[in-house]
Amino acid sequence: SQELEQSPQSLIVQEGKNLTINCTSSKTLYGLYWYKQKYGEGLIFLMMLQKGGEEKSHEKITAKLDEKKQQSSLHITASQPSHAGIYLCGAPTYHFAGGTSYGKLTFGQGTILTVHP
Amino acid sequence: NAGVMQNPRHLVRRRGQEARLRCSPVKGHSHVYWYRQLPEEGLKFMVYLQKENIIDESGMPKERFSAEFPKEGPSILRIQQVVRGDSAAYFCASSPPAGGLNYGYTFGSGTRLTVV
Repeated sequence: SQELEQSPQSLIVQEGKNLTINCTSSKTLYGLYWYKQKYGEGLIFLMMLQKGGEEKSHEKITAKLDEKKQQSSLHITASQPSHAGIYLCGAPTYHFAGGTSYGKLTFGQGTILTVHP
Repeated sequence: NAGVMQNPRHLVRRRGQEARLRCSPVKGHSHVYWYRQLPEEGLKFMVYLQKENIIDESGMPKERFSAEFPKEGPSILRIQQVVRGDSAAYFCASSPPAGGLNYGYTFGSGTRLTVV
């Protein structure tokens, strides 16, 4: 079964600093999703990566998927207190049943980000 | 355009009672997934449903747990005779008919179940 390991498990930075969160898979990734979760709340979709070498950015957050499709990184530039939360990477595994194909997501354990003002 | 709506947000049940968690998917989404987040553990897949069909329940505990997604109305995750170990956050996600592989999965805010 696929396993995702995130590092670091927690991160404390000063506002304005850059930071990187890594997500490493035990198997080749067919895709990789990044979500953010505020404590006690739901998951907010950040980005989806599918191709090796792909890079996407949204505001100050950039996510990359390496060429071998086994590792992804999430980079935040000039962090702000609003970036604080738990960042989760999730990888789908393909299945076919009931006449349809679908994906089940396996998640990493999460990275807790604290940004001090 | 409302996202995935889950209710209640918080649910407290005594041991032995039943818990019913509701999930209304994004309008137009016909695929629903339930995930569970236990304390100190990551999110784990429980069950995948389409309208009136359970497609994959490989992550569901064998006893006391059931799920449905009727033709009309929300998807329901039902836990009978709850025990303290059922205390967790339960998340619902939905995707379009084409599946989430290309279009992503929209998650709800979750239901936090506490068993006392």
